[in-house]
Parts: sequence; C-alpha cells; structure tokens
Amino acid sequence: DTEVTQTPKHLVMGMTNKKSLKCEQHMGHRAMYWYKQKAKKPPELMFVYSYEKLSINESVPSRFSPECPNSSLLNLHLHALQPEDSALYLCASSQDLGVDQYFGPGTRLTVT
Amino acid sequence: GQNIDQPTEMTATEGAIVQINCTYQTSGFNGLFWYQQHAGEAPTFLSYNVLDGLEEKGRFSSFLSRSKGYSYLLLKELQMKDSASYLCAVNAGNNRKLIWGLGTSLAVNP
Repeated sequence: DTEVTQTPKHLVMGMTNKKSLKCEQHMGHRAMYWYKQKAKKPPELMFVYSYEKLSINESVPSRFSPECPNSSLLNLHLHALQPEDSALYLCASSQDLGVDQYFGPGTRLTVT
Repeated sequence: GQNIDQPTEMTATEGAIVQINCTYQTSGFNGLFWYQQHAGEAPTFLSYNVLDGLEEKGRFSSFLSRSKGYSYLLLKELQMKDSASYLCAVNAGNNRKLIWGLGTSLAVNP
C-alpha cells in the first residue's frame, strides 16, 4: 500500500461547527504532516508529527487541533473556523523527517 | 533568512525539452526536492537531490549544485499532461521541515 488517504474529500462547515479531517497511511512512515494550501500558493506547513509525537507547530491558531492516535493515523480537529480558513488541507507522510514526503489527495474545506 | 526562487510561469511546446530553474539561499541544506502539482490535486514527489550532479528518472532529470545554491528540473519529450505547477523545496535547518518555492506554472502547448 503506497497511498495516503484523506477523508472527507470535500467539507463545508459553518463558523460554529466542529468537524475533523482524517488521514491514514500504511507505508510504515514515522513522520506525518498537515499542510494548508491556498490557490496558486505552495503548501504551508501547519504541524509535524514524528514517531507519534508533535514535533513542529507552526504557530497555528488553536481552532486547529491535531491528533495522532497511532503511527498510521493523523487527525485535524476543527472548531470555530473563520472564512479565511477555507483552503485545501493536505496530509503527507515520510519515512522520517527530512526525506521525500507523499501527499494524500487533500480535503477541500469551505467555511461559511 | 530562507529564500527559494523559481520562475513564475513557463510555456513550452509538446515534444520539446524544458528546464525549470530553482535557486536557494538557506541557513542549512539537507536536500532538495521537486514536486509536480496538477490544478486541484495534491503534489506528487518527482525527485530528490542531496549530492551535486544529475539524477535521471525517465523523462525527468534533476540537477544540483550546492556551491551555487542552484537546481534545475529538466523535462524531455514534453506531453500535454506535463502542464502543471512544479515546486522546488529545500530541507534546511535542524528541524528538517521543507522550505517551499512559490512554484513554476508550466503550460505545454500543442
């Protein structure tokens, strides 16, 4: 299995909603990432987990809360988002930190 | 500071060869990556260079000169499906996160 999967593919939520994005990989990778990407911009790193521990938090607002239940799963919990948080949210994994990352298809999030 | 420069846009003709350049100034260097991203899709890993020289992988090749802070991605026998954004990213510093360029949008014309 060489895929990173993400659910849902699309999500529309109001500013008072609570929702979660899910990511899964079965490649035995020990590093997992959340990125946010706006149109015509490069991916913007949000969080990095290494060996199931939070390694990097790029000063992301607390309305985004990551969770790594085990080495294969990564969640991003969303609460009280703003319309400017609308973007493509990408999950990625890599064998270790600093090597080639493999991306999931992303979740297209719209905050209304 | 950390900086990666790539051309914003390029156009080329089907069947031709195109070279996309990337220059970087970073506090450290642990490798350079090229990714391809089609509109509305996720980035796809293309190549990784950590030592100077040319890495060839089918129609795509990537070159690195660490002393010059320079890399290029060479695409041969261009196909229409190669129309995409090409992102250069550098692994720099101790925390090993990637520093991303803004991407080069390549349009392949018939």
